[in-house]
Amino acid sequence: SQQGEEDPQALSIQEGENATMNCSYKTSINNLQWYRQNSGRGLVHLILIRSNEREKHSGRLRVTLDTSKKSSSLLITASRAADTASYFCATDEAYNTDKLIFGTGTRLQVFP
Amino acid sequence: SQTIHQWPATLVQPVGSPLSLECTVEGTSNPNLYWYRQAAGRGLQLLFYSVGIGQISSEVPQNLSASRPQDRQFILSSKKLLLSDSGFYLCACVTGTNEKLFFGSGTQLSVL
Repeated sequence: SQQGEEDPQALSIQEGENATMNCSYKTSINNLQWYRQNSGRGLVHLILIRSNEREKHSGRLRVTLDTSKKSSSLLITASRAADTASYFCATDEAYNTDKLIFGTGTRLQVFP
Repeated sequence: SQTIHQWPATLVQPVGSPLSLECTVEGTSNPNLYWYRQAAGRGLQLLFYSVGIGQISSEVPQNLSASRPQDRQFILSSKKLLLSDSGFYLCACVTGTNEKLFFGSGTQLSVL
């Protein structure tokens, strides 16, 4: 089963614009992670936010977490064509940190 | 840092044939190991994970099985493939206190 649902499923923007993706999950978690996948490749870790954190930054990435709403958002600022990829959130479970479940993903297309 | 070897990159198998996909990890010891499957354009489905030799947790038993005969080796198997087993299979690991998943390059399996 999948823990997370992400929206939008697909997003198309111009270079320089910001991209926002959202993730919702079902159970209590210890942390939430965001990953990026280029077509036909393995996933690459972007950022991890813990359940006691509300916001985290890494370069052009900003992640927020609202545990009361069981949701997270990923903001990519000043997007570039090279940001074109699929983005997934992944969560563990509060009572099983070994089990890592992914959301359905958002396909981001950035046009030059 | 760890490296995940996953092979083959592409595999075409007839319905009813057996399957064995192997994943090996270098550069770390006692990793948690994972098998995920991704349908075209979709999210990742957790199939199996293992926290140690011989320890397998199954999320989607169905037609597949997994084994961990050595600390850094994780094998995905099937006795008889179904059309629905087609997909992109990804092996991943988590090491030590690092909670991030590192992925292999994946195997694209087509069952015809």
